[in-house]
Amino acid sequence: KAGVTQTPRYLIKTRGQQVTLSCSPISGHRSVSWYQQTPGQGLQFLFEYFSETQRNKGNFPGRFSGRQFSNSRSEMNVSTLELGDSALYLCASSLAARRGLLEQYFGPGTRLTVT
Amino acid sequence: GQNIDQPTEMTATEGAIVQINCTYQTSGFNGLFWYQQHAGEAPTFLSYNVLDGLEEKGRFSSFLSRSKGYSYLLLKELQMKDSASYLCAVKDTDKLIFGTGTRLQVFP
Repeated sequence: KAGVTQTPRYLIKTRGQQVTLSCSPISGHRSVSWYQQTPGQGLQFLFEYFSETQRNKGNFPGRFSGRQFSNSRSEMNVSTLELGDSALYLCASSLAARRGLLEQYFGPGTRLTVT
Repeated sequence: GQNIDQPTEMTATEGAIVQINCTYQTSGFNGLFWYQQHAGEAPTFLSYNVLDGLEEKGRFSSFLSRSKGYSYLLLKELQMKDSASYLCAVKDTDKLIFGTGTRLQVFP
């Protein structure tokens, strides 16, 4: 079974630009969660999507948004990039049921550098 | 508030046993995960505890005490490849709240 895939793997953008990251979950997984990982803050939860609906959201500004498509693939978008947005963005998929989140499988991440 | 504490770094010797502690204070609790993350790679699932007690899986074991807000990951017969970061994460409803991780270095 193929794992979680994320594209692109590396990205360099300048302040003020916007970026879209993509995540394809493991086949059959309907829940996709996004995390931001930085050396100082560790892994921080951005949001979770299940059946095309945002089910949970972390404490990030509105510049961070996402969506999920009918095939469970997900995208996240960051607008008006700031230097502090430089991080590894990880996507995780789960065989989640409506009752809740189960074990998550992480993708390799997208390393975003904002200059 | 939400708070998960782990030691920042630990060192150990090949063949030894190491225990990585995690304490948590969260508004909700629906289980605790441990993940392993090698440098430059994605986290991989190690264990999940939802009830008090010890879960054993090969060389790795994880313990949970919900009343104390405490968990530990026990690694036995350490190997060089166990050098990695170990992340403790609490499941709060449908969110995973991660600690900042413990970087373990195994020396020969």
